Amino acid sequence: QSVLTQPPSASGTPGLRVTISCSGSSSNIGSNFVNWYQQLPGTAPKLLIYYINQRPSGVPDRFSGSKSGTSASLAISGLQSEDEADYYCSAWDDSLNGPVFGGGTKLTVL
Amino acid sequence: QLQLQESGPGLVKPSETLSLTCTVSGGSISSSSFFWGWIRQPPGKGLEWIGTISYSGRTYYNPSLRSRVTISVDTSKNQFALRLTSVTAADTAVYSCARLPEAASYFDQWGQGTLVTVSS
Repeated sequence: QSVLTQPPSASGTPGLRVTISCSGSSSNIGSNFVNWYQQLPGTAPKLLIYYINQRPSGVPDRFSGSKSGTSASLAISGLQSEDEADYYCSAWDDSLNGPVFGGGTKLTVL
Repeated sequence: QLQLQESGPGLVKPSETLSLTCTVSGGSISSSSFFWGWIRQPPGKGLEWIGTISYSGRTYYNPSLRSRVTISVDTSKNQFALRLTSVTAADTAVYSCARLPEAASYFDQWGQGTLVTVSS
């Protein structure tokens, strides 16, 4: 059972917008930055968003992040077929003194 | 371009020790700007942080695994290693090594991962 809670699945139509939620607690999301990873089938996770809403070089601005209290969200606009992947949220946990992850959300592009 | 590559046995017997090595290429493991970590993913499940090490050998472990985990670094070989003792079937997972920028909470570079199965 993961420390951060994500819906196991999400879906969307090409061109439209989809959001993925991530819920935590005061010791992680509530007091630290949130990061997101994208894992394409059969590949290693790739950093997608860091420090809530920062994108590494090469990540399209279709991807954006936000945080409110002990929850966070990843939004993907202009959905494309290549966005079909597993998405994981993560945050530093002050109790663990290390990063914690969500269980992952499998995104299907219809 | 920085690359990380995990290596080690893909099959370990119950109660034995799992040993993996991560070889870093395209960059120096001795940089004070980064830490190096291990993360695992059991089949069909989410990610779990195992532990992190600095180039100087300072370590941080997940409390749930601390009694069984040792992470070490060999700067001469540009490698760091994971040892997990007394393994059970619950330790079956894809094990990945990754880089963590100093003072950051995210892993910015990952290895491909290697599946380790615990079975007799």
